[in-house]
Amino acid sequence: EAAVTQSPRNKVTVTGGNVTLSCRQTNSHNYMYWYRQDTGHGLRLIHYSYGAGNLQIGDVPDGYKATRTTQEDFFLLLELASPSQTSLYFCASSGGFYAEQFFGPGTRLTVL
Amino acid sequence: GDSVTQTEGPVTVSESESLIINCTYSATSIAYPNLFWYVRYPGEGLQLLLKVITAGQKGSSRGFEATYNKETTSFHLQKASVQESDSAVYYCALGDTEGADRLTFGKGTQLIIQP
Repeated sequence: EAAVTQSPRNKVTVTGGNVTLSCRQTNSHNYMYWYRQDTGHGLRLIHYSYGAGNLQIGDVPDGYKATRTTQEDFFLLLELASPSQTSLYFCASSGGFYAEQFFGPGTRLTVL
Repeated sequence: GDSVTQTEGPVTVSESESLIINCTYSATSIAYPNLFWYVRYPGEGLQLLLKVITAGQKGSSRGFEATYNKETTSFHLQKASVQESDSAVYYCALGDTEGADRLTFGKGTQLIIQP
């Protein structure tokens, strides 16, 4: 079964701060995704990637950058964090079969 | 675009009672989407509960089941007898296999099981 890990699990920062969320998957999946989950909105796709060096824009990309450095590692960057980015962030990976995705445990980010 | 609508929570059910969480979808860009139910237990990430990739088929797992109904564009989740351990948030999702393997999620339904 795919293993997806995220770090940190919890993060508190201030408005205007710099934050990097990390995700690693160890099942050789090509596809990786970053979501945010907010009450009343379900999961919304921020960015995703087909492989190392590739980046695709999701549905709610404003204020976020992402980078896929290797097949295993996918990072989400918030360069000027705002309180509206306070959320629960999930990373996921997929091997491309039937669109089934495997999720990490989530990172709770609070921007004060 | 594609969308998923599911029962608004929280839904409270007594232990051993039956459960249904409704899910309907609109797939404007996909002729035959794959359909999923994911579950998120407190403090954990989402886990796949069940999936169905063929219209008319039923998926089942851990006592839950859902049937892919293309005519009514529905994929309702049912369980005959819930347990306290079923308390979680349930997400219905539609999968786009013709593009980037993207998933479109419903808003999630929090299920609370009363002992």
